[in-house]
Amino acid sequence: GDSVTQMEGPVTLSEEAFLTINCTYTATGYPSLFWYVQYPGEGLQLLLKATKADDKGSNKGFEATYRKETTSFHLEKGSVQVSDSAVYFCALSDRNKFYFGSGTKLNVKP
Amino acid sequence: DTAVSQTPKYLVTQMGNDKSIKCEQNLGHDTMYWYKQDSKKFLKIMFSYNNKELIINETVPNRFSPKSPDKAHLNLHINSLELGDSAVYFCASSQGLAGYNEQFFGPGTRLTVL
Repeated sequence: GDSVTQMEGPVTLSEEAFLTINCTYTATGYPSLFWYVQYPGEGLQLLLKATKADDKGSNKGFEATYRKETTSFHLEKGSVQVSDSAVYFCALSDRNKFYFGSGTKLNVKP
Repeated sequence: DTAVSQTPKYLVTQMGNDKSIKCEQNLGHDTMYWYKQDSKKFLKIMFSYNNKELIINETVPNRFSPKSPDKAHLNLHINSLELGDSAVYFCASSQGLAGYNEQFFGPGTRLTVL
């Protein structure tokens, strides 16, 4: 069945460091891929998405490219801020079903 | 204005009790969802309604019963609560099915079963 695997956290970085959170997926069809972010005490918010292979989603300095050959959708940011501290979820949607990864907690220290 | 709201925010109850969580969205969306997030932050879809019709019903005990009185509301009723039901429950909505459209999440309801 369809699934999403993302790197375990927590990930701890200093401000202005480069961020990568790995995400790989398994799907039988042609899924859409998403990154959601959950700030402490809040619900999830869509960060970015890509609906087909080679698409790049971007928002707030974050980027992720839909790589069909490696079944990956890694999240990157060139320079993280303390305010980026949150839990990040990779997700896929395939034939109207939605699957989330287990979440990766990011801690950014000043 | 809150887009997706849930009540209550916290719910503490004893094993065996019956409880309900309410969800309302004011975005005009036609699809609503319930998710369960466990203590390890793993998020799993439970139900999805489109225009008040059930379209996704994952493997969830039949003690859980969703009810959608109209497109703006999706409530979750849980009978005979068990310790394993302790989790954070999120409601979400989207316009159309979530495959292509963004889901908007509520703030969550933290359920603790003692």
